[in-house]
Amino acid sequence: QKEVEQDPGPLSVPEGAIVSLNCTYSNSAFQYFMWYRQYSRKGPELLMYTYSSGNKEDGRFTAQVDKSSKYISLFIRDSQPSDSATYLCAIAKDSNYQLIWGAGTKLIIKP
Amino acid sequence: GAVVSQHPSRVICKSGTSVKIECRSLDFQATTMFWYRQFPKQSLMLMATSNEGSKATYEQGVEKDKFLINHASLTLSTLTVTSAHPEDSSFYICSASRGGLRFGANVLTFGAGSRLTVL
Repeated sequence: QKEVEQDPGPLSVPEGAIVSLNCTYSNSAFQYFMWYRQYSRKGPELLMYTYSSGNKEDGRFTAQVDKSSKYISLFIRDSQPSDSATYLCAIAKDSNYQLIWGAGTKLIIKP
Repeated sequence: GAVVSQHPSRVICKSGTSVKIECRSLDFQATTMFWYRQFPKQSLMLMATSNEGSKATYEQGVEKDKFLINHASLTLSTLTVTSAHPEDSSFYICSASRGGLRFGANVLTFGAGSRLTVL
């Protein structure tokens, strides 16, 4: 079993829709949860960063962590074509940067 | 914001030659840099972690003699793919951090990546 599972998609939705991206993980010791966005042929850029459980909101983006279910989500409201990218979740147990990466979900927002 | 510059963005070389990729932190001192490899439609695979002034720590299965990493200063790390072969063709990405994984910090800044094609 992989430590982090993420559906690679692609996920295609119309512009303006609410997007839900998810990852599940297997080890309850993970404490740090991150979402990165990666455009084609570019490096990943950090979108959201959450420590422990709960929700975090930043503009149109909301990150949610449910440690009891070992489930993390990223919601995008009012999705735009410019949101089309691959979204990677990454988790870590502690501060030594040993990130465990999800496979990435390719998101396509249709105009 | 923190910026990491990675060069070259794309390189094509002949089998058997060596290729050097540079990763520079432009506006901060990076105590730690990371090198990843990414295959098409797959996630990032950590290759090695380098700290300024010390030897890199390689992940299991990564050949340290093939992938030479040098972190000579707080702003520069290099990855040299020695005697490259077609199976080394991949997307190589570096990332840099100022220090510990602090809550609220922009914990890792990534370069734009380097696409290596070995003919």
